[in-house]
Amino acid sequence: GNSVTQMEGPVTLSEEAFLTINCTYTATGYPSLFWYVQYPGEGLQLLLKATKADDKGSNKGFEATYRKETTSFHLEKGSVQVSDSAVYFCALSDSRNTGNQFYFGTGTSLTVIP
Amino acid sequence: SAVISQKPSRDICQRGTSLTIQCQVDSQVTMMFWYRQQPGQSLTLIATANQGSEATYESGFVIDKFPISRPNLTFSTLTVSNMSPEDSSIYLCSISGGRLLSDTQYFGPGTRLTVL
Repeated sequence: GNSVTQMEGPVTLSEEAFLTINCTYTATGYPSLFWYVQYPGEGLQLLLKATKADDKGSNKGFEATYRKETTSFHLEKGSVQVSDSAVYFCALSDSRNTGNQFYFGTGTSLTVIP
Repeated sequence: SAVISQKPSRDICQRGTSLTIQCQVDSQVTMMFWYRQQPGQSLTLIATANQGSEATYESGFVIDKFPISRPNLTFSTLTVSNMSPEDSSIYLCSISGGRLLSDTQYFGPGTRLTVL
C-alpha cells in the first residue's frame, strides 16, 4: 500500500542554519510527492511538489528531489529564517491507482531561533 | 489557485451539541474533502464530499456522526454531531480538480473546534 514516513521532530535550528527534513515513501504505483507547510494557527499551504522521478520541486528557498531509487523526498533549505518556523508535512498522491487519496506523514515541527 | 474559506474559523461548544462547518470555494472544483487534525497530529481523511450524492466515508467515520452535504461544485458542509471532548480538533476542507491540478489538494484555513 501507500504510506509516508517522516522524520520526527521537533527540530530546533538557529537562524541561517541548514535544514533537512527526511521523508521516505512506499507506493504501489508512480505517486506525486508534496511538501505542505502549516504556520501557527493556519491551515496547510502547498510548499512544493514533484510528479516524477528526478523532478526537483522548489519554492521560497526550499527544495526537494524525487528520488525513486531511494524512495525519498527530503526537504532542504540552505539558510532558515525565523519565519520558517512551522510544521512541515510530507505527502503523496497516487491518483492513477487510488484516486485523490492523499497520504500524509506525521509532520515535523521546526522552530528557528534568532 | 482557488480561494477557499471556512466558517466558523473557531468555536467552543458544549458536549452533546452539534456544529456545522461550511467550506466555500470561489470557483467550481471537482473534488472536495474533509480532514480532521487532532492536537499535535497529522491529518486524517474523514470523507470525500460528492456533489449530488452521499459522501464517501473512510474507515472509522460514519455518516451519523459526520453528516456531509455538497449541494453544488463550490460548497460543502460538515456537521460534527453529538460532540464530545474527543472531537476537539482542527477540521479542514480541501479541494482538487476543476481548473486546478487533479493530483494536488489545496486546503482551507481550518476550523478550530474545542468541545467542553
